[in-house]
Amino acid sequence: AQSVTQLDSQVPVFEEAPVELRCNYSSSVSVYLFWYVQYPNQGLQLLLKYLSGSTLVKGINGFEAEFNKSQTSFHLRKPSVHISDTAEYFCAVRSPSGTYKYIFGTGTRLKVLA
Amino acid sequence: GAVVSQHPSRVICKSGTSVKIECRSLDFQATTMFWYRQFPKKSLMLMATSNEGSKATYEQGVEKDKFLINHASLTLSTLTVTSAHPEDSSFYICSARDLGGGTGELFFGEGSRLTVL
Repeated sequence: AQSVTQLDSQVPVFEEAPVELRCNYSSSVSVYLFWYVQYPNQGLQLLLKYLSGSTLVKGINGFEAEFNKSQTSFHLRKPSVHISDTAEYFCAVRSPSGTYKYIFGTGTRLKVLA
Repeated sequence: GAVVSQHPSRVICKSGTSVKIECRSLDFQATTMFWYRQFPKKSLMLMATSNEGSKATYEQGVEKDKFLINHASLTLSTLTVTSAHPEDSSFYICSARDLGGGTGELFFGEGSRLTVL
């Protein structure tokens, strides 16, 4: 079975400061990894994904994430955050084959302070 | 990217009534759509996988008679909450996979907030 752990439920950070949102996963098989952002009362928007290849993945809005197989991690980073980055961020995994069933973490609320 | 639209975005209903939520893929065909439920400050819980032209596959613990799913075409799936009760109040989100896409990305709708009085 696969699982995703986002240890930080909330991360406050000042505007223009760097941020890292942590994601660890557990799986007995290889996985695809995703980060999604959710703004209040909206659906999820894909920030970035890792399928294969380079372990450093760049996404939209200046976000990037690094896949670390040995540590089973896929942490999300941004060097300088904006007020508009305040949102809920979800890490997700799915198996490359099969049913396209995604497993989501519990989410991390990023709050950017002025 | 592909667009998935949900309607209505908000619905308030009385206890005991049924509510239908639509999920449409606007610019692509989706043989498979997924329905999620999100509790306040919680993650998304997969409720069921909706397959075009066949019965939905429900996750363990989800009442198939309460949450009726119909996937009548390649662009439309509906979730009907039957005999809704206050505990069914939640944020429901659908997602779809682009048939022509091989990257594994799901496209999500904007969500529908159901409030049962």
